[in-house]
Parts: sequence; structure tokens; C-alpha cells
Amino acid sequence: GAGVSQSPSNKVTEKGKDVELRCDPISGHTALYWYRQSLGQGLEFLIYFQGNSAPDKSGLPSDRFSAERTGGSVSTLTIQRTQQEDSAVYLCASSSLLDRDEQFFGPGTRLTVL
Amino acid sequence: LAKTTQPISMDSYEGQEVNITCSHNNIATNDYITWYQQFPSQGPRFIIQGYKTKVTNEVASLFIPADRKSSTLSLPRVSLSDTAVYYCLVGPMNYGGATNKLIFGTGTLLAVQP
Repeated sequence: GAGVSQSPSNKVTEKGKDVELRCDPISGHTALYWYRQSLGQGLEFLIYFQGNSAPDKSGLPSDRFSAERTGGSVSTLTIQRTQQEDSAVYLCASSSLLDRDEQFFGPGTRLTVL
Repeated sequence: LAKTTQPISMDSYEGQEVNITCSHNNIATNDYITWYQQFPSQGPRFIIQGYKTKVTNEVASLFIPADRKSSTLSLPRVSLSDTAVYYCLVGPMNYGGATNKLIFGTGTLLAVQP
């Protein structure tokens, strides 16, 4: 079956521009995570959606970052006024209690801010 | 959430057994232990999960002592393709709300030499 997909796979933008990153989770998965991974570093948690509950935004690094999940499925991570330090790979994962909460990751979006 | 501590890196040779230990001194009663593997330029993928004693699958074994304050991932006869970052996560299975989530740490970089 289809796994988690993310788009675009690569994004190059200029400092100060806004970007939108998309995540399509596995159908039926109620939980969705966004992470950020800088080169050679571990995963940095950004935000967590679980069903209809209010999202856990505790990992968002600044108010320039926001995310939404429409209809409990597709999620969009938006970064406003991008900065060079935002350059990283942004990973999305989804999970389900029916799959022992195993997080299935997408291929990521590599963001480069010039 | 239980904090985990792992070695930053480990070296091994092809054909050897590799054991990676993770410390989680404040693990809670309803916490499970999960290990993920991440290859370069890919998202992490699930390896194994356990609660106590020993779990074995086609890829690895997970040893958990009675006090559950640590766990050891065992990879039998590693090959070059096992070179990756290995993450230990601890958290509850029964996600009941937006605050229940698993956090990835920095992981252990395993380098397998020929």
C-alpha cells in the first residue's frame, strides 16, 4: 500500500520568502508528526497531531512556523519569512494504534534557504 | 516522557555482533521501548519494540532487564549495509491525547568496517 508522501522533495528559496511543505499520511493513521533534521543531527520534534485533539505545538521553534491538518488527513507545514537557519530536511511521519504506534516516515523535504 | 541516553557512535566490523545500550532510568510503568534505524537521506524506520525481557525478530533482538532502566539492541553479524543511526525511544503505547508523543534523541551512529 501507499506510504507517507511528502512534497516537494526539494525546495530552494530566498531568505524572507514563505514556503509550504505538504505531507500525505498513510490512510487511516490518526497521528501525524513533523520533524526537522539538520545535516548530521538527530531529529528535532516540531508538532504533533492526534485525531481531533488540539495539536501539540511545543516543538515549533518560532512563530514563523505553523502547521495545520485538514480533515484529519493531509498536513501542511508553513514557514514564513524563511531564514538561512531554517535550511534542513523536514520529515513527516504518521502512526496508528492499530500499527503499535510505529511511526512511518516520508522521504522528507530538503529545504535550502539562500 | 522518559529521557534516553545512548552512545554517540560505535564502530564494528563485518560479521560481528553489535550491542547498543540505551539508558532510560525514569521509564514509566506503561512505557514501551522502541528502536528505529535511519540510513543517510532517508527517514527513520522501525526495527523492534518491547516491554520487558527479550524480543526477537528477523532483524534484531531487544534485551530488557527486569528493572527496565536500560535496554540493549543486538544486531547479529552486521554487514556494511547496517551502517546507520540507531535511535532508542521510550513512551506509552496508548496515546490518549495530544501530549503523548515519542521524541527522537541524537541516536547512535554505527559504522561498520569491512
